[in-house]
This record gives sequence, C-alpha cells and structure tokens, in this order.
Amino acid sequence: EAEVAQSPRYKITEKSQAVAFWCDPISGHATLYWYRQILGQGPELLVQFQDESVVDDSQLPKDRFSAERLKGVDSTLKIQPAELGDSAMYLCASSLAQTPSGEQFFGPGTRLTVL
Amino acid sequence: KQEVTQIPAALSVPEGENLVLNCSFTDSAIYNLQWFRQDPGKGLTSLLLIQSSQREQTSGRLNASLDKSSGRSTLYIAASQPGDSATYLCAGISGGSNYKLTFGKGTLLTVNP
Repeated sequence: EAEVAQSPRYKITEKSQAVAFWCDPISGHATLYWYRQILGQGPELLVQFQDESVVDDSQLPKDRFSAERLKGVDSTLKIQPAELGDSAMYLCASSLAQTPSGEQFFGPGTRLTVL
Repeated sequence: KQEVTQIPAALSVPEGENLVLNCSFTDSAIYNLQWFRQDPGKGLTSLLLIQSSQREQTSGRLNASLDKSSGRSTLYIAASQPGDSATYLCAGISGGSNYKLTFGKGTLLTVNP
C-alpha cells in the first residue's frame, strides 16, 4: 500500500542550529501539506503546496521556517535557527488534487527535540 | 474561524466495553469530517471519513456519525480491546479551493485488559 515517507524519524539539535526534514508523498498526489503538532495538541497547518506552488503559508513563521517542493514531488521543510519552542512532531500529508473528499494521508512524522 | 473541540480529553475503560468519543465544531459549513488514530510518537492513521452528504460511516467495530446542523460528530467503538488504546483525533475539512483540516486536541483512550 502506498504511504507518505518522511525522514528522519527523530532529530535532536541544539538551539540556533539548522534542521531540515524531508517528505515524499504518495505517488500521484499533487497536494502536499506540512503540519506541526505540539505535545498534547492537534496538528496545525504550516504550509500547503499544489504541485510546486505554495497555496497557503499563512501560519508558517517565515523568519525562521522555509519550505520548498522544487519539482512538485518531494518536499523539504527547514528551520534556521531552531528555537526551544520548535520542539514538536512535524507531520507531512498528501492528497489527490481533485479529490472530492478532501481526504489527507499522513506520514509517520519527524520528532524534533531542540536542546 | 473553525474551532474543533473533543470531549473527553482522556478516557479509561475496561476491555469489552462500548464507548463513544465526541467531537464538536463551530462552523457548520464544514465540507467533510475525518477521524484519525495516533499511537504514541507516531503519525496519524485515517480511520473514517464522513462526507457532508452522509450521516454516518462504518468500518469494522468503528462507527462515526456526523450532524452538521448541531455541529457534532461521534466515534463509536464497539467491544473495545487493549489494542484500541491510542489518541483519537477528529478534523473538520473546510472546502473551497484548498481543502483545510482543523483538528481537535484529541481524546486519549486507554482500554484496560
């Protein structure tokens, strides 16, 4: 069964360092999402791509976060510099562009710990 | 702005019990609603998606209902098992040009043997 892939699964870094997360969506899924989930909370959308274009990054802290999806397939989310408050689970999801349901499929996530 | 609330925040039940998890949302114009399961430190697994034209959806021991007029959804789990222990999240799907999920904080379910 097709799945969303993410790496690394775990990342420990010190504050002020740079970190990057990678996501490979389900083949054929044109829409890709990055979410941040703080412990005990529900996921919150950071950025949404349609193919290689950003369609919603209103909740992305652009002073330190960046995201790209250069060829419209896999995507990278970067944080520079990392802060203590960035410790969270970072989830990637994908969906068909024209799905009538809006259903999203999630990857296993990357657990980030900032020391 | 859509807000999603889940009650209770935590629930502990003995094995075999039937249980109901509740989800309420403020904007009745949601497009669809999706229920997820999340094991500790893991990603989200989609359980059920209820489209706005449906009132309920079933998969095995799980049954989810949607009442848009009252802004509520419930997830019913029959004959609970220890393996059902996890956090259950509901998310309202907003329509328009970009589908957007708004999540609740989840219900932590523990099923005791």
